[in-house]
Amino acid sequence: QVLVVQSGAEVKEPGASVKISCKASGNTLSGQWIHWVRQAPGQGLEWVGLINPSGDITNYAQRLQGRVTVTRDTSTGTVYMGLSSLRSEDTAVYFCATEGRVALGPTKSFDKWGQGTLVAVSS
Amino acid sequence: QSALTQPRSVSGSPGQSVTISCTGSSSDVGGYDFVSWYQHHPGKAPKLMIYAVSKRPSGVPDRFSGSKSGNTASLTISGLQAEDEGDYYCCSSVGTYAPYVFGTGTKVTVV
Repeated sequence: QVLVVQSGAEVKEPGASVKISCKASGNTLSGQWIHWVRQAPGQGLEWVGLINPSGDITNYAQRLQGRVTVTRDTSTGTVYMGLSSLRSEDTAVYFCATEGRVALGPTKSFDKWGQGTLVAVSS
Repeated sequence: QSALTQPRSVSGSPGQSVTISCTGSSSDVGGYDFVSWYQHHPGKAPKLMIYAVSKRPSGVPDRFSGSKSGNTASLTISGLQAEDEGDYYCCSSVGTYAPYVFGTGTKVTVV
C-alpha cells in the first residue's frame, strides 16, 4: 500500500519562496504522474500543477504561472513544489496526489493523497 | 479557467438520496469524460469517490454514482448515511497535459 508523505509546515514572510516535498513511504512515486492541489482557509480546492513520471513535462494553473515550479528527483522518487514571491493569499494547505491509472491508461483523477502541508505567509 | 459551478449546500435525511450538480462548459465537463468527484473532511486529505464520470474506485460504496449530461455532471448519493456528511468537489481535466479545474464545492448535511 502506497502511503504518500509530505514535508512539514512552513511559515514564510511575504516575498519569500518555499519548497515542499512529497514522497512515498513503503514504495516509490516513480512512474506516477503527480499533481499539487491547495486549499486556502475557508476556500475550495484549487489545482496547482502537475509533473509527468520522467519530470520533463509540467503544467501549471494559469494564475500561478511564473511563480510555481514542480520538479522531481528521479533518483530518490521525491517530488517538489516551489512557490516564489509569496503573498498572504498563498496561505493554504498544499496537497500532493498521484494520478490514477487503469489498464486502459490514466484516469485523469487523483487517487492517493498526501497528508497536506500548511504554508503560512505572514509578516 | 473558471471554477466549475456547484450548489453551496444540499441536505437530506438518512436513507434519502441527494444529487450534487457540477456545471461547466463544452471546453471542460461537456467536452471530455474526465470528471471526478472527491469527498473532503476538514483537516484530512480528499478522497476519490468517482472518476471518468461514473466509475467507482475499489472500496467506494455503490451508494455513490456519477453521471453527465451535456455540460453538467452529477453525483448522486443514495441511501444517505451520517458518515456521508462533508464537502464534495467535482473536477475536470481538459486533456493530456492540460490544466485541471475544480468545482466550487458542496457541503452535504445529513439532517
